Parts: sequence; C-alpha cells; structure tokens
Amino acid sequence: AQKVTQAQTEISVVEKEDVTLDCVYETRDTTYYLFWYKQPPSGELVFLIRRNSFDEQNEISGRYSWNFQKSTSSFNFTITASQVVDSAVYFCALSEARGITKSGNTPLVFGKGTRLSVIA
Amino acid sequence: DAGITQSPRHKVTETGTPVTLRCHQTENHRYMYWYRQDPGHGLRLIHYSYGVKDTDKGEVSDGYSVSRSKTEDFLLTLESATSSQTSVYFCAISSNPGQANRETQYFGPGTRLLVL
Repeated sequence: AQKVTQAQTEISVVEKEDVTLDCVYETRDTTYYLFWYKQPPSGELVFLIRRNSFDEQNEISGRYSWNFQKSTSSFNFTITASQVVDSAVYFCALSEARGITKSGNTPLVFGKGTRLSVIA
Repeated sequence: DAGITQSPRHKVTETGTPVTLRCHQTENHRYMYWYRQDPGHGLRLIHYSYGVKDTDKGEVSDGYSVSRSKTEDFLLTLESATSSQTSVYFCAISSNPGQANRETQYFGPGTRLLVL
C-alpha cells in the first residue's frame, strides 16, 4: 500500500533562512513517481516537481531544491533564502505505475501537508 | 494552465439536500479525479475516471457518486449531504496519461462546500 508521511505539521522561519520540508514515502512498487505541490493562501494547488523512481539525481530550480534518496525512502524539499511569498502549505504525493495491462499511473496519494510560514 | 474550471466555487447547503459539483476541462484529458481536502488529512481521493462512463472509487467514496457522460465534464454528486461532507473539493486531470514518466496531475481552483 502507498503512504506518504510529512511529519512536520507547521514550520515557521524568518525571511532569508533556509528551510527543509521532509517527505517519507512507502510503496511496494519499483516504479513510482513523487511530486510536490504548493498551496498558497489563495487556495489553489500548484505543481512544483515530479520525480521518477529510476532517477535519483537531485534537482535545483532557483531557490528550490529536492533531494531524492531511495535508501531512506525520502524526497525532501529545501527552500534557500526563504521569502514571505514562500508561505504556503506544501504537499508531497506519490503515484505508482499501473503496469502493462493498464495505462497511466495510479491516482495520487498525498501526505497531510506542511504549513510553512515565513516571517519578514 | 490546464484549462480546468469548477462550479460552483462556493456553496452553502442544508443537511439532506442533494448537491452536484461540476468539473469542466477544455483540453480533452482522458483521466479526471475528485479529491476532498480537510484539515489534518491533506487531500483524499473520492472517485476518478479513465474515460466517458468509466469511473472507479477512491479512498473516501461513501456518500458520493460521479458521472462522466462527456469527456470534458466530470460531475460529483452528494446524494444527501451531511455535515461531514463540509470540505474543499478539488478536481484534477492527468496530463500525458500512458506516458508514465511524464504523467502529472493538475488541479482545478476548488469548490468550498458548507453543509449546515
């Protein structure tokens, strides 16, 4: 069964600090996909990144970086030099490959989210 | 922008009344989903669809039904609303289904439902 755990319910940092949001996942599949979404105070869900299980390269996009480690089943998200605009709820999610008899991946299973508050 | 709209965006209703939420997409995506978001639970899957008239249950499907008579519309119905169904409801589509290493879900703006 799939499971995603975001142990940090709320984090508060001062602007310009670095912050890491943790995500631990469980799956029996060897092929799976990990995602991060951002939900700002306005409420919409914004896709940030998708990672495939066969690609353990870390990814950097501006101030955002992601560390994928299969050995610890973790997919952590770091914001460098945080800004007030980064204040949001961040969700980690997991999807598995369906296999050759069905197309597409399984629906997403989400963690409960981490609320990040960046204080000016 | 994945071209997803949800209607209504806000609704207040009374316990026991039927409610239908609509998700409309303009880009001919085959796969569509309904999730609900509640404090302390994140997002949980209610129902999903792989195509017209092809639907399946998710984790929290009790009390909900869905229909998909056209590719562009995916309807979620609460047959008899209860206070426990007060929530924010999100519709989503999958881009690039079948291209497993590119498939990504994009979400609509959400519908905030209050059942009194």
